[in-house]
Amino acid sequence: QQQVKQSPQSLIVQKGGISIINCAYENTAFDYFPWYQQFPGKGPALLIAIRPDVSEKKEGRFTISFNKSAKQFSLHIMDSQPGDSATYFCAANTNDYKLSFGAGTTVTVRA
Amino acid sequence: DAGVIQSPRHEVTEMGQEVTLRCKPISGHNSLFWYRQTMMRGLELLIYFNNNVPIDDSGMPEDRFSAKMPNASFSTLKIQPSEPRDSAVYFCASRRTSGKGGEQFFGPGTRLTVL
Repeated sequence: QQQVKQSPQSLIVQKGGISIINCAYENTAFDYFPWYQQFPGKGPALLIAIRPDVSEKKEGRFTISFNKSAKQFSLHIMDSQPGDSATYFCAANTNDYKLSFGAGTTVTVRA
Repeated sequence: DAGVIQSPRHEVTEMGQEVTLRCKPISGHNSLFWYRQTMMRGLELLIYFNNNVPIDDSGMPEDRFSAKMPNASFSTLKIQPSEPRDSAVYFCASRRTSGKGGEQFFGPGTRLTVL
């Protein structure tokens, strides 16, 4: 049973466009929400993370928006580039060490 | 820093054979994780070590799976006997801190195929 639900499963965006990936959770005890990026043949790598005391965090072209009351958070990739083509996973901590991952979203950026 | 090192990168074996996957965490990291990634189940935590001690092995699917961490720089995940449903990518990850929010650094993974 996945504790973090992620959508869409895949998306295609034109170069320069905006990619949006959404995640929802039920457990209000979660207090750390990272996003991981995974390229084919590689392990996931931390992209950006947020805690529920802020509603938005931006790092370069990547922004997390967090809605605590709705128990939802999303990743926005601005000015998408072909190099952003990868699979993105949202996650949430269930305790000090355990992350519950979403199912993943495969993003394809067309040049 | 070389990052988390895993070997082998690819393993093809026949059902019933023993498989051993190896991991070298990043130096100075005291937490180590083994994950399994499949299309059906996504990324699943198999076992978590802190300071070389197994803390949570609730994700280990069955007794055929075992993991050890004899020292701070080496861990193994063993499957004996292997079955076709064990085919997956197995990742090792390490982390410096044991508190919440510490970044987990993943290795490149071992793609296991059991025929």
